[in-house]
Amino acid sequence: GENVEQHPSTLSVQEGDSAVIKCTYSDSASNYFPWYKQELGKRPQLIIDIRSNVGEKKDQRIAVTLNKTAKHFSLHITETQPEDSAVYFCAAVALSGGYNKLIFGAGTRLAVHP
Amino acid sequence: SAVISQKPSRDICQRGTSLTIQCQVDSQVTMMFWYRQQPGQSLTLIATANQGSEATYESGFVIDKFPISRPNLTFSTLTVSNMSPEDSSIYLCSVEGDRGSGNTIYFGEGSWLTVV
Repeated sequence: GENVEQHPSTLSVQEGDSAVIKCTYSDSASNYFPWYKQELGKRPQLIIDIRSNVGEKKDQRIAVTLNKTAKHFSLHITETQPEDSAVYFCAAVALSGGYNKLIFGAGTRLAVHP
Repeated sequence: SAVISQKPSRDICQRGTSLTIQCQVDSQVTMMFWYRQQPGQSLTLIATANQGSEATYESGFVIDKFPISRPNLTFSTLTVSNMSPEDSSIYLCSVEGDRGSGNTIYFGEGSWLTVV
């Protein structure tokens, strides 16, 4: 089955710097890769996603890249702000048993210091 | 996107008791998913609930401990049975969006359970 590894587990940056979180997956059949942001005491919220037919996607300060050959994808946050502080989860979706199953990475705790 | 309502949002439960969590979606969906998030951990899929059939459980989760109902296309329940402190977690219901959203998966607000 699918296995998703995420690095780093914690990341501390100064406000205005960039942050990069990397994930690798094992199942070459995976075709959808979402990223979720979870603030303290709240549910995970989808912030950006990428599908297997695209190499890069950008939404304002957030971008995601996908390398299908190497089976890894990354989240890039530019010009970080204190409100970006949260736990970020990557995930991979693979078809299993006739339905799409979402497998999460272990998460990255991002701290943005003013 | 789908609007997903979960109840209860929070509860403190006594050891040995059972609690049923409800999940209501504002549109008909084929699959509903139940996740567990233990303190400081990632999300782990418990089971997938398909209307009209028994839920499919992931490795490490069994029906006796986490019975699931799926009576129609907009509703599901997860019961956490004979609770112990190790069951203290956030339990999240999720659904796959409609065809227009591709594989996008949305989460409910979550049910924060503390077992004492």
